Amino acid sequence: DGGITQSPKYLFRKEGQNVTLSCEQNLNHDAMYWYRQDPGQGLRLIYYSQIVNDFQKGDIAEGYSVSREKKESFPLTVTSAQKNPTAFYLCASRRTGGTGELFFGEGSRLTVL
Amino acid sequence: GDSVTQMEGPVTLSEEAFLTINCTYTATGYPSLFWYVQYPGEGLQLLLKATKADDKGSNKGFEATYRKETTSFHLEKGSVQVSDSAVYFCALTAGSGGSNYKLTFGKGTLLTVNP
Repeated sequence: DGGITQSPKYLFRKEGQNVTLSCEQNLNHDAMYWYRQDPGQGLRLIYYSQIVNDFQKGDIAEGYSVSREKKESFPLTVTSAQKNPTAFYLCASRRTGGTGELFFGEGSRLTVL
Repeated sequence: GDSVTQMEGPVTLSEEAFLTINCTYTATGYPSLFWYVQYPGEGLQLLLKATKADDKGSNKGFEATYRKETTSFHLEKGSVQVSDSAVYFCALTAGSGGSNYKLTFGKGTLLTVNP
């Protein structure tokens, strides 16, 4: 079955460490997104990519980095510059054209110890 | 810029009660509108959508009508079940399908249905 796979589901890190969250999709979608979810704040866009080798900053890109070397993959690195990284991270993809809905992965919960 | 405002929760109902979750939006142009649902510990799932004024989206007993005159997309269900307990997000598109295309979400409404 087609879908979006995020890993790991749970991740713990010490302050000062960089961590990378994986996102893989086999839906053949061109566009991919990373959102951050915090209690009471809904979803906030971190980065998005409309095509391979290109990506744009979202609303809260500071302290994060991404790459898009393959259509299927859009990993997110949470760097030590991110001051409050503990959150639930959601990856999504979208088919170009159509009505524009996003398809989401199951999420990754990052906790900074 | 584009924005979505939905009623704050939490909303607590008894099984078989009527549900309304209000959603209003601000957008340029003619956005598409969506409701997503998130069960505990999971990602978001598309519940329903509407792409133009007066369209009604429906799925699993939930309905929402795209009202351009009131810039609203309220979610309704006639008889909720315990299994409907989740967080519900209203969302709209921004951009027109090109390089700036993205979804803007409301803050979410937590629904708890008691037996």
